[in-house]
Amino acid sequence: DIQMTQSPSSVSASVGDRVTITCRASHGLNGWLAWYQQKPGKAPELLIYAASSLQTGVPSRFSGGTSGTDFTLTISNVQPEDFATYFCQQAQSFPLTFGGGTRLEIK
Amino acid sequence: QVQLQESGPGLVKPSETLSLTCTVSYGSVNSGYNYWTWIRQPPGKGLEWIGYIYYSGSSNYNPSLKSRVTMSVDTSKNQFSLRLSSVSAADTAVYFCARGHPDNIYRDKPETPFDSWGQGTLVTVSS
Repeated sequence: DIQMTQSPSSVSASVGDRVTITCRASHGLNGWLAWYQQKPGKAPELLIYAASSLQTGVPSRFSGGTSGTDFTLTISNVQPEDFATYFCQQAQSFPLTFGGGTRLEIK
Repeated sequence: QVQLQESGPGLVKPSETLSLTCTVSYGSVNSGYNYWTWIRQPPGKGLEWIGYIYYSGSSNYNPSLKSRVTMSVDTSKNQFSLRLSSVSAADTAVYFCARGHPDNIYRDKPETPFDSWGQGTLVTVSS
């Protein structure tokens, strides 16, 4: 199985800040990585797929990138509705696996 | 915009079988290249992929659950289902149904992210 490691596990930010979350895979993913946002009591919502493609309807302040073997989710100009938990997911091989999550909290 | 809705018992006894159904609206389970998926999330924890079923009946399950999982699709009702046998407290979780992303880049690739999710249903395993 491909292990997905997210960091940090939690991060504090203020409205208007820029936040970057990282996901590292135990094996190469060939860019097959997705990012989700989940709010309490809700299903995850897809933000980014194929590492950097913005899902339809997702605000452009969300962006995905790659830095070496790491994948990044950047939220520029954090808004109040962005305080949530974020998960990465690999779509390289079965079984599909998720990162442990990063909680974005209000500073 | 496709919509998914889970249904089934919220309480299952240990050693019994958990059964859930996902009803698809504004879309068809018969659509090619859509991988109908089950994912679960224990309370306060992360996400675990359970497996997918394709409209043809082909499937792929997480090896950690494979011996206990069966998925099926009912095209006449536009539904797909999950059965998990011999449950224990460790199977207590919110169960989500979801659709594999329909983008063309995943046309020949069943390993996908998920663009549409049901709201989730909490299943508690307890006597």
